[in-house]
Amino acid sequence: ETGVTQSPTHLIKTRGQQVTLRCSSQSGHNTVSWYQQALGQGPQFIFQYYREEENGRGNFPPRFSGLQFPNYSSELNVNALELDDSALYLCASSFGGVDSPLHFGNGTRLTVT
Amino acid sequence: QKEVEQNSGPLSVPEGAIASLNCTYSDRGSQSFFWYRQYSGKSPELIMFIYSNGDKEDGRFTAQLNKASQYVSLLIRDSQPSDSATYLCAVKSGGGADGLTFGKGTHLIIQP
Repeated sequence: ETGVTQSPTHLIKTRGQQVTLRCSSQSGHNTVSWYQQALGQGPQFIFQYYREEENGRGNFPPRFSGLQFPNYSSELNVNALELDDSALYLCASSFGGVDSPLHFGNGTRLTVT
Repeated sequence: QKEVEQNSGPLSVPEGAIASLNCTYSDRGSQSFFWYRQYSGKSPELIMFIYSNGDKEDGRFTAQLNKASQYVSLLIRDSQPSDSATYLCAVKSGGGADGLTFGKGTHLIIQP
């Protein structure tokens, strides 16, 4: 059974640029969610995808968007990067539902200068 | 606004002792409760999950849930230096599409 994999591991971007982060879900999981973890904070929920549709969203602006593909892989896109977007971005997959634990990938560390 | 509160620590515990980590949450509609362990620079790793009031044991770990008091805890018995990490409490409300609400985590240090 393969786990959740994310790419790239690290990324440095300039304010105003756009970035795409990628995630491959754990085998058999049909739900993928993305979280942002700033230094010293707990992860914050960005959004969740189920069957290629966004079905849940946290308190993040529209410049954070995503996609889920038929093979359950996913992308997180962030437009017009701001310095505060510097964080660890975590992808997590699950079977969905209220009682399904999340399994996180290793994350992408994004630095915006 | 849903909130999850944890003491940030650091919580220092001697090796072999019991470490007790606590968490309170604000949303009475919360249904699922999770504990994650996060080593510095790494991603969160699921330790325990609990859905019903009472205790749930898995090896050296015991999760305790009291929905009336909106309180969840994690006990680690026979603490080892490898248990030194940040422990994140996470809560999920009733909707399947709701994300997890995390606390800021408790930094646990096991002293050899």
